[in-house]
Amino acid sequence: GNSVTQMEGPVTLSEEAFLTINCTYTATGYPSLFWYVQYPGEGLQLLLKATKADDKGSNKGFEATYRKETTSFHLEKGSVQVSDSAVYFCALTFYNQGGKLIFGQGTELSVKP
Amino acid sequence: EPEVTQTPSHQVTQMGQEVILRCVPISNHLYFYWYRQILGQKVEFLVSFYNNEISEKSEIFDDQFSVERPDGSNFTLKIRSTKLEDSAMYFCASKRLAGGGETQYFGPGTRLLVL
Repeated sequence: GNSVTQMEGPVTLSEEAFLTINCTYTATGYPSLFWYVQYPGEGLQLLLKATKADDKGSNKGFEATYRKETTSFHLEKGSVQVSDSAVYFCALTFYNQGGKLIFGQGTELSVKP
Repeated sequence: EPEVTQTPSHQVTQMGQEVILRCVPISNHLYFYWYRQILGQKVEFLVSFYNNEISEKSEIFDDQFSVERPDGSNFTLKIRSTKLEDSAMYFCASKRLAGGGETQYFGPGTRLLVL
């Protein structure tokens, strides 16, 4: 079946460090891919998305590239801030499946000053 | 900026009781969803709703669950007889159009605790 796997957390980084959160997927077909972020005590917010192979999504300094050959959508940021501390979820969806999102297990990021 | 709202933010109930979780999706959105997140686990799809009917439901969404859009603005999730394992954060989401690339906007969630 379709699924998303993320790297285990928590990830702890110092401010201004480089961030990578790995995400790989298993899918029959060509899904759209998303990163959502959940700040403490809040709901899920879309961070970025990509709808086809080789697309790069970007927002707030975060980037992720849709790699069909490696079925991956890794999240990166060059210099993290304390305010980036949150849980990050990778997700996929298909047009012809009612649009439900299939999420990975989430990766908690903690950034220390 | 328009947003999805959910009420209540927290609900505590006794096992076997009925609960209704309420959501107000973004006003021009047509597709509606419920998800849940058990503490420490991944976010799981429950049900999708379009054109006043369920378009897809997961294995979790059994006969104890129902959804309704009673008027032009509210979207509700009812659990008829709650179980301990229904304790979770429930998220409502909506999107404007069909299409895999359309963004789903999530509400802040209702934390349900079943005792």
